[in-house]
Amino acid sequence: DGGITQSPKYLFRKEGQNVTLSCEQNLNHDAMYWYRQDPGQGLRLIYYSQIVNDFQKGDIAEGYSVSREKKESFPLTVTSAQKNPTAFYLCASSIQAGVNTEAFFGQGTRLTVV
Amino acid sequence: QQQVKQSPQSLIVQKGGISIINCAYENTAFDYFPWYQQFPGKGPALLIAIRPDVSEKKEGRFTISFNKSAKQFSLHIMDSQPGDSATYFCAAAKGGAQKLVFGQGTRLTINP
Repeated sequence: DGGITQSPKYLFRKEGQNVTLSCEQNLNHDAMYWYRQDPGQGLRLIYYSQIVNDFQKGDIAEGYSVSREKKESFPLTVTSAQKNPTAFYLCASSIQAGVNTEAFFGQGTRLTVV
Repeated sequence: QQQVKQSPQSLIVQKGGISIINCAYENTAFDYFPWYQQFPGKGPALLIAIRPDVSEKKEGRFTISFNKSAKQFSLHIMDSQPGDSATYFCAAAKGGAQKLVFGQGTRLTINP
């Protein structure tokens, strides 16, 4: 089945630890995105990538890092510098950043700091 | 200028009624306005989208109304059903799905 796979579904992190969230897509999409969702605040863009080996910061990139070594993969690392990492993280992809392109979302990873 | 404001935050509608959710934007460069539906613990899924060259788009029971001069757009759900109970997000972008700016979301409950 074509789609976006995020793993793990639930993730627990201790204070001061870095954790990496996985996002894989088999839709052959060029563009990939990471969003953070908090209650009552909608989705906010963390990072996005329009092409392999290139990515740009979104609105809330501080404390996060990404890589795009392969077209199908866009992992997100939540570093210890992120002061409030507990949230629902959503990965998305689209054919290409352009006209009338739909963004498809994964099922999300819920990260909790313990 | 990048904000999209969505209201109401929560909405309760009786089965068979009309659900209306409103959004307003500031950036006149936005040219793509999608609505997403999200069920608990799941990722959002595209429901319907509109571009500013039309004032209305209808797909089944879902209709987007768009007012370019007022910089507002709304989602109407006709004959609302309990299965429509979900969180709805409006969004806006310049150039398709690139860098979507989302509203705050509306939690819709349809009472049977």
